[in-house]
Amino acid sequence: AQRVTQPEKLLSVFKGAPVELKCNYSYSGSPELFWYVQYSRQRLQLLLRHISRESIKGFTADLNKGETSFHLKKPFAQEEDSAMYYCALTTSYDKVIFGPGTSLSVIP
Amino acid sequence: DVKVTQSSRYLVKRTGEKVFLECVQDMDHENMFWYRQDPGLGLRLIYFSYDVKMKEKGDIPEGYSVSREKKERFSLILESASTNQTSMYLCASSTTRDRGSDEQFFGPGTRLTVL
Repeated sequence: AQRVTQPEKLLSVFKGAPVELKCNYSYSGSPELFWYVQYSRQRLQLLLRHISRESIKGFTADLNKGETSFHLKKPFAQEEDSAMYYCALTTSYDKVIFGPGTSLSVIP
Repeated sequence: DVKVTQSSRYLVKRTGEKVFLECVQDMDHENMFWYRQDPGLGLRLIYFSYDVKMKEKGDIPEGYSVSREKKERFSLILESASTNQTSMYLCASSTTRDRGSDEQFFGPGTRLTVL
């Protein structure tokens, strides 16, 4: 079955602390993994994708096929990082499967 | 810059009414999607379309139908609205994976309340 799980519904960290948002997936084919973010009163938008291997706004994510994980990390959280984060998986048919989301709150 | 627009930001309807939600994209994308976004459940796919007049059921198609008569427009129809369809509805579009990018571009959302 194709599935994306994000075990934490809510995550609170202090400003300057490291943050890790967990994502695990199950998919039999060759997945493409993404992180999307939704800031307050803004539309959902792409944060980063695994094939780019890039760092966006200080965030990175590494695809671990052995553990079927794609955790999002940032070494020093900022207040503006407070948002809803969704992990997503694209199947070979362009269909996207989203996880349930993690609400990140960065405490000043 | 991709623009995905939705016809309404807020909509209030009564139980049993027929409801139309419209979505338009201006980037010539092949794929278009309708999701509902509910707290704790994330985004759930209702329907998607990969070409004009083509549609595929998503995970929760019951109570909904869609129409794609033109490439840029994808409509979601609630044939007889019910209170459990109160939700935020998001439209998205993307090009095909074999064209190099399948990033989804989202509209601002329509918050539908069914009384």
